Amino acid sequence: EAQVTQNPRYLITVTGKKLTVTCSQNMNHEYMSWYRQDPGLGLRQIYYSMNVEVTDKGDVPEGYKVSRKEKRNFPLILESPSPNQTSLYFCASRDFQLGYNEQFFGPGTRLTVL
Amino acid sequence: AQKITQTQPGMFVQEKEAVTLDCTYDTSDPSYGLFWYKQPSSGEMIFLIYQGSYDQQNATEGRYSLNFQKARKSANLVISASQLGDSAMYFCAMRANNYGQNFVFGPGTRLSVLP
Repeated sequence: EAQVTQNPRYLITVTGKKLTVTCSQNMNHEYMSWYRQDPGLGLRQIYYSMNVEVTDKGDVPEGYKVSRKEKRNFPLILESPSPNQTSLYFCASRDFQLGYNEQFFGPGTRLTVL
Repeated sequence: AQKITQTQPGMFVQEKEAVTLDCTYDTSDPSYGLFWYKQPSSGEMIFLIYQGSYDQQNATEGRYSLNFQKARKSANLVISASQLGDSAMYFCAMRANNYGQNFVFGPGTRLSVLP
């Protein structure tokens, strides 16, 4: 089954404790992206990757890191989480071929930073 | 910078009636794509419909259609014959240029379908 998976789905942590949210897709997509969703703000793009070893900042990259060492994986790293990073996080992927416009989303990771 | 505006935080519609969810956008790119996503209470993001800036015809997908008015920079979603299962959050989004990397989402509209 074609899908984007994220782990963990729920996470409660404390300020300053480094964490990683994993994202993996099995569709051989070149493009992957991370978003955060906050009430009243919709989804905001954190980072995206056009291919292996190619990443770029979205609209809200501060406090986050990413890496793309393999095509299928795109982990999101919070080196020193703060309470304002409490949010619902989505990973997504898409194919660059013309006509393949749909972005496939993972199920989301709900993060709480105390 | 690109921006999406959804001015209706919440809407109600009677079952079996049609409803229009508003979306306006701002971009200086001549080439862009517009999307609508549905997010039910379970939280997943479901792709509904896509409109390219150069597409001559309005996009349609089953009960969903996109009313694209390029001069007004609007991309309203029309849902015909509403069903109870249509109750959800709806997001309008934009991707600038054909191979665009940057996606921008609006704040969303919560639609409630009444029996």
